[in-house]
Amino acid sequence: DTEVTQTPKHLVMGMTNKKSLKCEQHMGHRAMYWYKQKAKKPPELMFVYSYEKLSINESVPSRFSPECPNSSLLNLHLHALQPEDSALYLCASSQEGGLAPYNEQFFGPGTRLTVL
Amino acid sequence: DQQVKQNSPSLSVQEGRISILNCDYTNSMFDYFLWYKKYPAEGPTFLISISSIKDKNEDGRFTVFLNKSAKHLSLHIVPSQPGDSAVYFCAVSGNTGKLIFGQGTTLQVKP
Repeated sequence: DTEVTQTPKHLVMGMTNKKSLKCEQHMGHRAMYWYKQKAKKPPELMFVYSYEKLSINESVPSRFSPECPNSSLLNLHLHALQPEDSALYLCASSQEGGLAPYNEQFFGPGTRLTVL
Repeated sequence: DQQVKQNSPSLSVQEGRISILNCDYTNSMFDYFLWYKKYPAEGPTFLISISSIKDKNEDGRFTVFLNKSAKHLSLHIVPSQPGDSAVYFCAVSGNTGKLIFGQGTTLQVKP
């Protein structure tokens, strides 16, 4: 299995809702990432988990809360989001943890999030 | 301040011809360079990479060239096919492994 899967594919939520995005990989990768991508912009790194521990938080607002239940799963919990948080949320994984160099990241298809 | 620049927002090429996508970076400490391809509403797909100890890496129709002195890399696609039409991002990393992406170039290959 050489895929990173993400659910749901699309999500519409109100500003008072609580929802979660899920990501899964079965490649035995040690690092997992959350990115946010706005239209016509490159992906922006949000969080990095290395060996199931949060190693990087790129100053992301607390209304985004990541969780790594095990080495194959990564969640992003959403609460009290703003309309400007609407974007494509991408999960990625890479073989080596610790943000090792020469380390390709493999991306999932993303969750298209719309905040009303 | 953009550390990675793709100066051409778009490129149009005839099917069968060569597509050349360019990328410039500012920091000579970057030592790993990658190209990703992205279709609308999908995640980026890893295409090809090159480390700073090489100046060329080839994989089928895709070749990446690295000019360290000019801090420039390019992706050549030969021959171009309509299915290659997508947004292409270059990405660079240093010893942290953190990827920094360029703004992307939209390639259109016309039949």
